[in-house]
Amino acid sequence: DQQVKQNSPSLSVQEGRISILNCDYTNSMFDYFLWYKKYPAEGPTFLISISSIKDKNEDGRFTVFLNKSAKHLSLHIVPSQPGDSAVYFCAAATFSNYKLTFGKGTLLTVNP
Amino acid sequence: ETGVTQSPTHLIKTRGQQVTLRCSSQSGHNTVSWYQQALGQGPQFIFQYYREEENGRGNFPPRFSGLQFPNYSSELNVNALELDDSALYLCASSLGASGVNTEAFFGQGTRLTVV
Repeated sequence: DQQVKQNSPSLSVQEGRISILNCDYTNSMFDYFLWYKKYPAEGPTFLISISSIKDKNEDGRFTVFLNKSAKHLSLHIVPSQPGDSAVYFCAAATFSNYKLTFGKGTLLTVNP
Repeated sequence: ETGVTQSPTHLIKTRGQQVTLRCSSQSGHNTVSWYQQALGQGPQFIFQYYREEENGRGNFPPRFSGLQFPNYSSELNVNALELDDSALYLCASSLGASGVNTEAFFGQGTRLTVV
């Protein structure tokens, strides 16, 4: 039973365009959501987070949107750069117990 | 670079053997979590240690055990290795075990292969 789902295993975009990565969750107890980026042979790197009391959080080129009623979040990268090519993981947690539940990841390829 | 270091980076073991993986947490962090990432999957939570006590466990059998030391470094021990234990093992450190802004910072992982 996967509580965090990333239904697109891969995504390919052109440099300069917007990348949109999607994530759905089923557990309504989740109240904190994070995105991690992972390069081969490295551990996941924290990118951006959002708590359930917000619907948007921005950090430079990265914006995360949360739609609680739909149990859906998305990560927007604008503009996309070739260095953004990596696997992106969506993760969720509760404030009371910081165990991260991850999706399977989406491989983003940004073409020059 | 996160300041979280894991050793060894790669390891090959035989089925039935025991293995110990090590993690040094980021300076100032008192919480360490361990995750298993199988091929093509996202990381799966094994357990978490907060101030030397186990603070939550995922759906892993008792042959997966751990320790956290006074300096907040940690070990993951796996007994009676099985072929399905082959995976990337990730350690993550954070300041605190709950609450907002307790982002976990990951090490580079230990790639364990069981043959």
